Amino acid sequence: SAVISQKPSRDICQRGTSLTIQCQVDSQVTMMFWYRQQPGQSLTLIATANQGSEATYESGFVIDKFPISRPNLTFSTLTVSNMSPEDSSIYLCSVDTGTGSTYEQYFGPGTRLTVT
Amino acid sequence: GENVGLHLPTLSVQEGDNSIINCAYSNSASDYFIWYKQESGKGPQFIIDIRSNMDKRQGQRVTVLLNKTVKHLSLQIAATQPGDSAVYFCAENIGNNDMRFGAGTRLTVKP
Repeated sequence: SAVISQKPSRDICQRGTSLTIQCQVDSQVTMMFWYRQQPGQSLTLIATANQGSEATYESGFVIDKFPISRPNLTFSTLTVSNMSPEDSSIYLCSVDTGTGSTYEQYFGPGTRLTVT
Repeated sequence: GENVGLHLPTLSVQEGDNSIINCAYSNSASDYFIWYKQESGKGPQFIIDIRSNMDKRQGQRVTVLLNKTVKHLSLQIAATQPGDSAVYFCAENIGNNDMRFGAGTRLTVKP
C-alpha cells in the first residue's frame, strides 16, 4: 500500500497566476500520475511522471501549462500555470505500487483549486 | 476514441438492499479492470479488481462481474450500508498500466 499526501488541500487563486501542487508518498514508487477531476466529473489523466525521465502528457495537456517535476521516488509537483477559471478542478496525485504483472493504484486526497 | 462509460449516473437504494452498478467499455483489448469508491472530499479508493481471464471475483460484500462478450462490467454490493454512499468509478487498463476512468455513478443509501 501507499499513503499519499498533497499540499495544499485547497486554494483559491486569481486568474493569470500559477499554483504548484506537491505530492508526497510514504514509500518509493516508480510510477506517479497526475489526474484532474472537474466538478461532478470523472478523472482525466494529465500526465505520467516517472523519476529520471520527462513526464509523458496525455492529449490535451501540455508541459507549458502543466509543468511537472519528479526529483526523487517519493515526491512530485504539478504546476498549473497562467490559470483561468476553466482550470478550477480537483487535482489528484496517484501512484502505482504494483510489480510486474500486478497493479496497485493509490490516490492522494486531492487539491481543490478554484480560480477566480 | 474508445472509452469507458456507465449506464446509470445515479442510484438510490434502501439500506440493507443489494446494489448493482454497471459499466460499459468499448476497448476490447483491455485486460484489467478496477472499481473505485470516492467519498466526498477524498481521492478514489480501490475496491476490487478483475482480470480479463476471469468473469467473476468476490470480495467482502462486493462482487465484480465481467462479461467480455458484451463488454460489460458490474459491481454488486451486498446488504448496502449508509457508509457505502459514494461515487463509484470503473476503470480499465488500456495498456502500459494506463487506467481510464468511466463517468461515475453516485450511490445514495436511504436509511
